[in-house]
Amino acid sequence: AQSVTQLDSHVSVSEGTPVLLRCNYSSSYSPSLFWYVQHPNKGLQLLLKYTSAATLVKGINGFEAEFKKSETSFHLTKPSAHMSDAAEYFCVVSPPGYFQKLVFGTGTRLLVSP
Amino acid sequence: DADVTQTPRNRITKTGKRIMLECSQTKGHDRMYWYRQDPGLGLRLIYYSFDVKDINKGEISDGYSVSRQAQAKFSLSLESAIPNQTALYFCATSEPRYNEQFFGPGTRLTVL
Repeated sequence: AQSVTQLDSHVSVSEGTPVLLRCNYSSSYSPSLFWYVQHPNKGLQLLLKYTSAATLVKGINGFEAEFKKSETSFHLTKPSAHMSDAAEYFCVVSPPGYFQKLVFGTGTRLLVSP
Repeated sequence: DADVTQTPRNRITKTGKRIMLECSQTKGHDRMYWYRQDPGLGLRLIYYSFDVKDINKGEISDGYSVSRQAQAKFSLSLESAIPNQTALYFCATSEPRYNEQFFGPGTRLTVL
């Protein structure tokens, strides 16, 4: 069975400082991993995805994540936060195979202060 | 997100009423999904469809039904709404080759 744990329900940063959103996964097989972002009153948008290629994945808006199999982690980072990054972020795991069931973490709300 | 549309965007209804939420997509994807989002719980899968004739229950299908009217349309119905079905509902689509799912803007449903 697949599962995802987002270690922080809320993260607060100041504009211009680094962002770190933590995610650990559990999977019996080599999974696909995703980060989605949800801005207020908006749908979910894919930030980046890992599908067994390069372990360091670059996404949109300056975000990146590193797949670390030994630590079963897929943390999301950004060097410098912007006010527009304030949103809820979901780490998602999907097993390999025909059915692409996504298993969502409970989300991390990122707050960015001026 | 304009490729996946949901109607209505907001709905307030009363206990016992029948409600239909609609999803349309112009992405040409065969696979469509319905999720609900509750605070602190992430998204949970209600139903999914691989094509017009293939519909499957997700992890929380009780109290819900779906209809896949065409490749581009997938509707979710609450036959008799109850307050604990108050949530944000998302439709999504995907292609078989890729795991990425594309989400609509969501429908906020309140059952009084």
